[in-house]
Amino acid sequence: QKEVEQNSGPLSVPEGAIASLNCTYSDRGSQSFFWYRQYSGKSPELIMFIYSNGDKEDGRFTAQLNKASQYVSLLIRDSQPSDSATYLCARDGSTLGRLYFGRGTQLTVWP
Amino acid sequence: GAGVSQSPSNKVTEKGKDVELRCDPISGHTALYWYRQSLGQGLEFLIYFQGNSAPDKSGLPSDRFSAERTGGSVSTLTIQRTQQEDSAVYLCASSLDISTDTQYFGPGTRLTVL
Repeated sequence: QKEVEQNSGPLSVPEGAIASLNCTYSDRGSQSFFWYRQYSGKSPELIMFIYSNGDKEDGRFTAQLNKASQYVSLLIRDSQPSDSATYLCARDGSTLGRLYFGRGTQLTVWP
Repeated sequence: GAGVSQSPSNKVTEKGKDVELRCDPISGHTALYWYRQSLGQGLEFLIYFQGNSAPDKSGLPSDRFSAERTGGSVSTLTIQRTQQEDSAVYLCASSLDISTDTQYFGPGTRLTVL
């Protein structure tokens, strides 16, 4: 059983649209959730983390967490071509320090 | 300050040879993590260090893999008798300490085993 599931994509949206990236997880003990962006050939960079149920906004990015449904999402408003990348969802686990990653969703924003 | 650095950036080796991959974490970060990413796959956790101690080695794929960290800073991941399935990008990350979830990644080492 996979630890973290992401919608497989690829996801393609026009510039200016809202991109919605989704992630589900199986471990109800998870407390912290992360979204990393990974450009092709580059290492992942953290863009958002969320601990509490509800929404967390940072600029054009909004992370949403619903622990009851074991669901976390990332919304990117006013998508730009520079947002084109693979987005990785991650959660923490019972072992302190260990993160579990999904396989990522590839996003393409076309001009 | 400087971010996480890794060396070499690329390594091509022949099957059966040993390789060493190096990671230099962000200064002051006591926790260090190793992951690997195969083509089209997510990140696979290998091992983490808090200081020089590695409490959880369960992610290491086989006994050919080992890692050490000395002086609470630089870490080395060693793969003995490399196999073609070891080909991947090996990523290192660090965080302020083990209770801090935010991990910062290095650029990775791309390992190719021929």
